[in-house]
Amino acid sequence: GAVVSQHPSRVICKSGTSVKIECRSLDFQATTMFWYRQFPKQSLMLMATSNEGSKATYEQGVEKDKFLINHASLTLSTLTVTSAHPEDSSFYICSAREGTPYVYFGPGTRLTVL
Amino acid sequence: DAKTTQPPSMDCAEGRAANLPCNHSTISGNEYVYWYRQIHSQGPQYIIHGLKNNETNEMASLIITEDRKSSTLILPHATLRDTAVYYCIVSVTGANSKLTFGKGITLSVRP
Repeated sequence: GAVVSQHPSRVICKSGTSVKIECRSLDFQATTMFWYRQFPKQSLMLMATSNEGSKATYEQGVEKDKFLINHASLTLSTLTVTSAHPEDSSFYICSAREGTPYVYFGPGTRLTVL
Repeated sequence: DAKTTQPPSMDCAEGRAANLPCNHSTISGNEYVYWYRQIHSQGPQYIIHGLKNNETNEMASLIITEDRKSSTLILPHATLRDTAVYYCIVSVTGANSKLTFGKGITLSVRP
């Protein structure tokens, strides 16, 4: 299957700082990428859908000013957690659509906010 | 998108077939059935998908009932590395489709 990478795999930051997570489709072009968040022992929760060159569509209850998503190219989407707080500590996972119906997931980024 | 119902957990012996059930009684005609799995602390891995015909690939088989209200994922010879949470998802395909995850079923493969 197609490969999706995320960077970094782990990040620890202080409360109040911003953290950027990159998601790349390595061997295909992805017009649509998705960002999920997963808390311990819970399922994945979709945060937003991002389409290349346009604004992201956020799920209900997700603060768009806190979770900034940029999808500037067909192979790269970024999620920036602004003014991070301990409650933002979570496992962030991106996925990318390679045509339809295939959607491939990245390995995830573990964010810890102290 | 239609919701799915899966038992919370099941186990099977290594080397035996693992049959993972999924109910999706409200599935609509243009929705596909997808299966993904997530091994601890990793991103989900695509397994297989289907619309109404049974499907098989190198990882698994997907059996969809004729009325499409339920399906079964079959891992023909389970190994310890198949221990994971398996998610059954129904979704339309297309530019605006998205995958919504339920709680999944935890499969434990025992030696």
